[in-house]
Amino acid sequence: DAKTTQPNSMESNEEEPVHLPCNHSTISGTDYIHWYRQLPSQGPEYVIHGLTSNVNNRMASLAIAEDRKSSTLILHRATLRDAAVYYCIRYSNDYKLSFGAGTTVTVRA
Amino acid sequence: DTAVSQTPKYLVTQMGNDKSIKCEQNLGHDTMYWYKQDSKKFLKIMFSYNNKELIINETVPNRFSPKSPDKAHLNLHINSLELGDSAVYFCASSQYGGRGEKLFFGSGTQLSVL
Repeated sequence: DAKTTQPNSMESNEEEPVHLPCNHSTISGTDYIHWYRQLPSQGPEYVIHGLTSNVNNRMASLAIAEDRKSSTLILHRATLRDAAVYYCIRYSNDYKLSFGAGTTVTVRA
Repeated sequence: DTAVSQTPKYLVTQMGNDKSIKCEQNLGHDTMYWYKQDSKKFLKIMFSYNNKELIINETVPNRFSPKSPDKAHLNLHINSLELGDSAVYFCASSQYGGRGEKLFFGSGTQLSVL
């Protein structure tokens, strides 16, 4: 039970930033926010995670609202290779990362 | 060197057969998982193991029996295969299993039951 809400799909143009929203209004203080993506015919791939502060890594940035009820995954410059299903997950229970439906991202050349 | 590897990649079998899927991780992690992705693409956790001990069993039928001979391996044995078992099965691992850790996934085993 991921207990997050994401849009079903988003489209972007290549080389432009992509902002993927996620709502987790019932998040508790110890829940981490994780993002994974799944490219076609591949296993899920870790993107980024955070607790309270914004996070950056080589793949993306994670902006977490001050009240932690929502977050946004930012892909700074989309490439065709970023076309995938992106999962926002509220990680509540140790040992049990549960996936929701995710957002299908399409990147136009 | 692949971090989490599963074999076979494809498995086609008849209803009623027994089959196994193997998983190995070379990351030195303590925790391993099995996930199932059905035809609608929903990913569901099946099992979590920590240091060879079962931690999570998500109401999976007991035809599914995971076995962890050591920390680096978590195999999935399925008895009396049914049509509904057709899916892609993913193995994963994480350092200790905590919420602040990332999971590493294998590339999946596509099981087709005819």
